Amino acid sequence: SQKIEQNSEALNIQEGKTATLTCNYTNYSPAYLQWYRQDPGRGPVFLLLIRENEKEKRKERLKVTFDTTLKQSLFHITASQPADSATYLCALLSNSGYALNFGKGTSLLVTP
Amino acid sequence: DTAVSQTPKYLVTQMGNDKSIKCEQNLGHDTMYWYKQDSKKFLKIMFSYNNKELIINETVPNRFSPKSPDKAHLNLHINSLELGDSAVYFCASTSGGGQETQYFGPGTRLLVL
Repeated sequence: SQKIEQNSEALNIQEGKTATLTCNYTNYSPAYLQWYRQDPGRGPVFLLLIRENEKEKRKERLKVTFDTTLKQSLFHITASQPADSATYLCALLSNSGYALNFGKGTSLLVTP
Repeated sequence: DTAVSQTPKYLVTQMGNDKSIKCEQNLGHDTMYWYKQDSKKFLKIMFSYNNKELIINETVPNRFSPKSPDKAHLNLHINSLELGDSAVYFCASTSGGGQETQYFGPGTRLLVL
């Protein structure tokens, strides 16, 4: 069966450090992978999309890597800030091609 | 200016009741979705509508029925509510049949007593 696995434990880091979140998947052949951010009481918000032929993608302090051999994506937040505290979700297109399947998310807490 | 809106934001009801949740998007998107996020925060697809046609149904009980009066609206009707239906329900939309960025609504928090 298809699985998307993210670190289930919360990640606590100090402000200014780099946060690295992991997304592993099985039984997908994704053309792309997406990362979303979800704050408490709100809907997920799109952050980045990386395609299978892209090894790395950046947006401001965010960097995503995509290794289709390892079946893994890494999501980095550099110079982290308390405002980055949220749950980060990894998403892949389902086999139907018409919906996203989400991982359970990793909760990030950045402390001053 | 809200891109995807849902009403109500909170819904508290008794078991056995029938309720509806409404969703509207003003993005001109072709595809809309309903997701359920349970107490463990797992976000799971329920339905997808493309140009007013249901294109997937992820083994959701038939007590749940999506209805789309037009491309901008996708409502969710739930009959005979059960305790296990308590969750947060999110509406989302996308322009390209799931292959583009999805825009989510703020969620409807349903509590069944």
